[in-house]
Amino acid sequence: AQKITQTQPGMFVQEKEAVTLDCTYDTSDPSYGLFWYKQPSSGEMIFLIYQGSYDQQNATEGRYSLNFQKARKSANLVISASQLGDSAMYFCAMREGVGGMRFGAGTRLTVKP
Amino acid sequence: DTEVTQTPKHLVMGMTNKKSLKCEQHMGHRAMYWYKQKAKKPPELMFVYSYEKLSINESVPSRFSPECPNSSLLNLHLHALQPEDSALYLCASSPSARGRVGETQYFGPGTRLLVL
Repeated sequence: AQKITQTQPGMFVQEKEAVTLDCTYDTSDPSYGLFWYKQPSSGEMIFLIYQGSYDQQNATEGRYSLNFQKARKSANLVISASQLGDSAMYFCAMREGVGGMRFGAGTRLTVKP
Repeated sequence: DTEVTQTPKHLVMGMTNKKSLKCEQHMGHRAMYWYKQKAKKPPELMFVYSYEKLSINESVPSRFSPECPNSSLLNLHLHALQPEDSALYLCASSPSARGRVGETQYFGPGTRLLVL
């Protein structure tokens, strides 16, 4: 079975600085996809970025980038130039075949002014 | 338009009540999902519908009854719930029903349910 691990329950970052949120995973499938979602206090899960196991380059979406190290089975999210609105829960997730997403425990990010 | 809508936003019900949660998407997606999220925990999959048919039931108690009337709508009927069922219920959809590993799921804002 697939497993997603996020070891940072909470992180703090100063506004305008960069922050890295860690995610490691375990799967026996050669083809897999890794996702990051943001969940503000309102509850909605907002899709941020996706990395495929066969992608040659690290994914980037605006201020979000994914540091994908396949041999280490890690897919860390990097947020550059943090903003106050980035304060939220962040979940790393993996798609399980025809089923749903399997999520890590999440990291609560707080951006300080 | 990548919007999934859910109603109601908040729901308070007693243990003997019957209520329904509704989810709607107009993106032409063929797979829809219900997740349950307890406080300070990640979402957990409850049900998967593919082409309006139930394809996955993650051993959810029968007091939760899903229904997919058409490709755009997904309901979750609630009956005789327990206080421990209080949670955020999230609906999601994805374009195909084949579960491609790279396919994003789009989530609605959720319904916060409190069972008294």
